[in-house]
Amino acid sequence: GAVVSQHPSRVICKSGTSVKIECRSLDFQATTMFWYRQFPKQSLMLMATSNEGSKATYEQGVEKDKFLINHASLTLSTLTVTSAHPEDSSFYICSAKVGRGPNQPQHFGDGTRLSIL
Amino acid sequence: GENVEQHPSTLSVQEGDSAVIKCTYSDSASNYFPWYKQELGKGPQLIIDIRSNVGEKKDQRIAVTLNKTAKHFSLHITETQPEDSAVYFCAAIGHTGTASKLTFGTGTRLQVTL
Repeated sequence: GAVVSQHPSRVICKSGTSVKIECRSLDFQATTMFWYRQFPKQSLMLMATSNEGSKATYEQGVEKDKFLINHASLTLSTLTVTSAHPEDSSFYICSAKVGRGPNQPQHFGDGTRLSIL
Repeated sequence: GENVEQHPSTLSVQEGDSAVIKCTYSDSASNYFPWYKQELGKGPQLIIDIRSNVGEKKDQRIAVTLNKTAKHFSLHITETQPEDSAVYFCAAIGHTGTASKLTFGTGTRLQVTL
């Protein structure tokens, strides 16, 4: 149980393109989903917390107009990287929290490797 | 906010030996500590977690210990196998207002050699 599916797994596109990444909880409802960014050989950096039916909460230094997050249902959150540039190239990973309590497990998708040419 | 330190950054053990990874945290209010295994090109996989009301938890070859007084917790893998080779991350839930966010350690690259 607790499977999180993330699509696409790999995106290569030209500078200036907007890219949408989907994160789905397949066998549970996720009130809260999270979006992370990971640079090579580094740890995960939280970008934003996405709550179903409300605006996302962004971490300091993350541009909300650059990284648009939508969490319209209990099983789907999307991250759109708008007008992507080479510096946006990275590994983006979503996670979904099981249950509503503060100390519930988070399960991760398999990530999306974004390469901007 | 919460700060999690993890050691060592790399660890090489022979197949069959044990591996121990240690983490410390700063926020005494933290009370949930998961461990994740990340294989190359994949997302982190939850392998075990512990809450602050227990001092130890075991699941087959994996165990986690927690010392709340010292604010440190450790992952123990016994009888290591080549498929245990991966990057392992510890994490802690830090509380900021009503938000509960995972703060990750810097990761340990475990290599199990034959």
